[in-house]
Amino acid sequence: EPEVTQTPSHQVTQMGQEVILRCVPISNHLYFYWYRQILGQKVEFLVSFYNNEISEKSEIFDDQFSVERPDGSNFTLKIRSTKLEDSAMYFCASTTGGGYTFGSGTRLTVV
Amino acid sequence: QQQVKQSPQSLIVQKGGIPIINCAYENTAFDYFPWYQQFPGKGPALLIAIRPDVSEKKEGRFTISFNKSAKQFSLHIMDSQPGDSATYFCAARPFSGGYNKLIFGAGTRLAVHP
Repeated sequence: EPEVTQTPSHQVTQMGQEVILRCVPISNHLYFYWYRQILGQKVEFLVSFYNNEISEKSEIFDDQFSVERPDGSNFTLKIRSTKLEDSAMYFCASTTGGGYTFGSGTRLTVV
Repeated sequence: QQQVKQSPQSLIVQKGGIPIINCAYENTAFDYFPWYQQFPGKGPALLIAIRPDVSEKKEGRFTISFNKSAKQFSLHIMDSQPGDSATYFCAARPFSGGYNKLIFGAGTRLAVHP
């Protein structure tokens, strides 16, 4: 069964550093998303991406965040200057009309 | 406001029991209602989904009941097994004609005891 692949599975970074989280969505999917989940809490929407542009973003997705689809297969989330409160699981998801498939996530720890 | 309220927060049943998890929404313009299962350290995995023109859907041991007038939907797990112990999230998608974000409930932590 096709999967959404995320790397790395775990990243530890110093506060103020930039991080890039990477995702390879399912190949024929056209809609891409990033969500985050703070430990023990619900899954929160960050941003959706379609046709090479952001289609919607939440209030969490401020100027410190950006997304990119650099080469037609990868989909990245960049956090420019990480804060302690960015520590969370970050999930990539994709769909093309059926269910939304989520990756296994990247656990980001900001110290 | 677009919200999905989920209850209970946690649930303990014995093997073979039928846990029921409930969700309610306020915005009528939702067009897709999935349930996700999440194991620790893993991403949410789609379990079953329903659209608002259907009142019930079954897939294996999992059943969604949907009450459009009450704006409520629930997940029933028949003959529950210890392997079903996980966190379950309901979600809803605002209607937009496209493939909008999902709005998640707060989650229910289910424990099935042997």
